[in-house]
Formats: sequence, structure tokens, C-alpha cells
Amino acid sequence: SQKIEQNSEALNIQEGKTATLTCNYTNYSPAYLQWYRQDPGRGPVFLLLIRENEKEKRKERLKVTFDTTLKQSLFHITASQPADSATYLCALSHGSGNTGKLIFGQGTTLQVKP
Amino acid sequence: SAVISQKPSRDICQRGTSLTIQCQVDSQVTMMFWYRQQPGQSLTLIATANQGSEATYESGFVIDKFPISRPNLTFSTLTVSNMSPEDSSIYLCSAQGNANTGELFFGEGSRLTVL
Repeated sequence: SQKIEQNSEALNIQEGKTATLTCNYTNYSPAYLQWYRQDPGRGPVFLLLIRENEKEKRKERLKVTFDTTLKQSLFHITASQPADSATYLCALSHGSGNTGKLIFGQGTTLQVKP
Repeated sequence: SAVISQKPSRDICQRGTSLTIQCQVDSQVTMMFWYRQQPGQSLTLIATANQGSEATYESGFVIDKFPISRPNLTFSTLTVSNMSPEDSSIYLCSAQGNANTGELFFGEGSRLTVL
């Protein structure tokens, strides 16, 4: 069956360090992969999208890699700040064509300590 | 970007009753979706709300339990029917902001507690 796995254990790092979150998937061939941030009691907020033919995408302090051979995406936050503390969700496109449907991982909670 | 408003933001409901959640987008969008997020879990897609036609439901979700309306390009409703405690969850409305990027905008969610 199709599966998306993110590290369910919270990631605790010191301010200024680089946070790296992992998203692994099986039995998918997604056209693109997205990362979202979710704060407690709020809806998810879109951060970055990377397509299947792209290896890496950057946006300010964020970097996403996508390895379709390993079926893995890595999400990096450089120079992390306490304000980066949140749950980060990986999401994969589902179905052929632009159905707009996304399948989400369970998320990894990041805690950045000052 | 699109701003999505949902109401109610939270409610406490009695077993066996039904509740309708409203979702308003501040601009016309082609695709709208309803997700469920159970406590400590990720988002599960319930259905695609199709404008002017019946919603498209994902496996495990049926129209009788989760009827959806989409009368126009800015508004949708989700009804949770004949509720049981297992339906206690956060229900999230979302809209596709850009067909090229596929990014979704989400409402703040409606937290339902069924007693």
C-alpha cells in the first residue's frame, strides 16, 4: 500500500543550527512533493514545492531535496530560530494529471531552543 | 494567495446530531478540498468539492456521512451527519491556489468534539 513516513519523534535543536527533516515514501510516483508548516491550532501553510525532475529547491533559509530513486525528500532549515518551531508536513501529489489532491505525512515537530 | 474562512471554528456536539461547516474563500478557486485531522494525526483527504456537481469522495468516506455542497467558486460546506465520538476531529477546508504549483491554502479548521 502507499505510505508516507516522516520521523514521528520531535526534533530538538539549538538556535543557529541546521534542522533536517526527512520524508520517505513507498509505492508512489509523485509528480511533485510539497512541504507545509503547521502551528498548533492553525491550518497548514505552504512552504515549498519540488517537482520530480528537480533535485533541489531553495527559498531563503529553506532547502528541499527530492530523490526519486531513494523515494526521499529532505527539508533543511539553516540558521534555525525559535520562531521556526512548528510541525512540518510533507505532502505528495496523488493521482494522474492535476487533480490537486495531496496525501500528507504525519509530520515532524521541530523545537528550536534559544 | 487565497484567504479561507471557516465556521464554526469549534463546536461541541451530541451523538446522533449533524453539523454543517462552512468554508468561504476570498477569491474564485477551481479546486476545493475537505480534509480531516484527527488528534495527533496528519491530514486525511475526505473529498474534492466540485462546483455544480457531486463531490468526489476518497476511499472510506461516503456522501451519506459527509455530504458536501459547492454552489459556486468561492464557497463550500461539509456536513458531518449522525455524529459519533469517532467523528471528533479537526475538519479543514482547502483550496488550490495555483494549478501550476499545486499549493494548497487552508482554513484554520473546525474542531468538533462529539459527546
